Amino acid sequence: EAGVAQSPRYKIIEKRQSVAFWCNPISGHATLYWYQQILGQGPKLLIQFQNNGVVDDSQLPKDRFSAERLKGVDSTLKIQPAKLEDSAVYLCASSSSTGTSGIYPYEQYFGPGTRLTVT
Amino acid sequence: AQRVTQPEKLLSVFKGAPVELKCNYSYSGSPELFWYVQYSRQRLQLLLRHISRESIKGFTADLNKGETSFHLKKPFAQEEDSAMYYCALRPLSGFQKLVFGTGTRLLVSP
Repeated sequence: EAGVAQSPRYKIIEKRQSVAFWCNPISGHATLYWYQQILGQGPKLLIQFQNNGVVDDSQLPKDRFSAERLKGVDSTLKIQPAKLEDSAVYLCASSSSTGTSGIYPYEQYFGPGTRLTVT
Repeated sequence: AQRVTQPEKLLSVFKGAPVELKCNYSYSGSPELFWYVQYSRQRLQLLLRHISRESIKGFTADLNKGETSFHLKKPFAQEEDSAMYYCALRPLSGFQKLVFGTGTRLLVSP
């Protein structure tokens, strides 16, 4: 099966500019995740969608970050305005379901990521 | 609070040597634990999970609830094992996210 697609792969912007990332999950996957991975750290979840609804956005800096998943398929993550500390790799992942305890379609499949540099 | 700690940023071993990548976690309930791996220029991918109790590419990991650890082990390292390894935790209730450690880079030299 085709993997999770992300674009662009690299982006360089100046602080206070805006930027948007796109993610196309694996076909049929209901759950989509956006992670931020700052250099030297592990991925940190920003937002999780179940179909087109948000189930967890507790770590999304809502004053500058926004995300949507229209029609429950593709998703975009936007930063406006960007700050220097937003420089990171933004990973998109998808899974077939959040499921319930003991059931495992949870495996998250990751995209290649978008490397954002804010100067 | 949920936290995953990987104390080593870099682990360097010679081919054929045993490997142990350490992972400790803090969580008040019963979590699921995973190891993810990222090879050079490849995507982050699941290596193994504690529930399945399998050996993948010669790696095993045992969940020790008493010590709250989930160390990854391999008796004989291969050069192709060189990669970035992340330990992750997922609480078993609700729509819960993966919480990742900071990762350990494993370098296997010939």
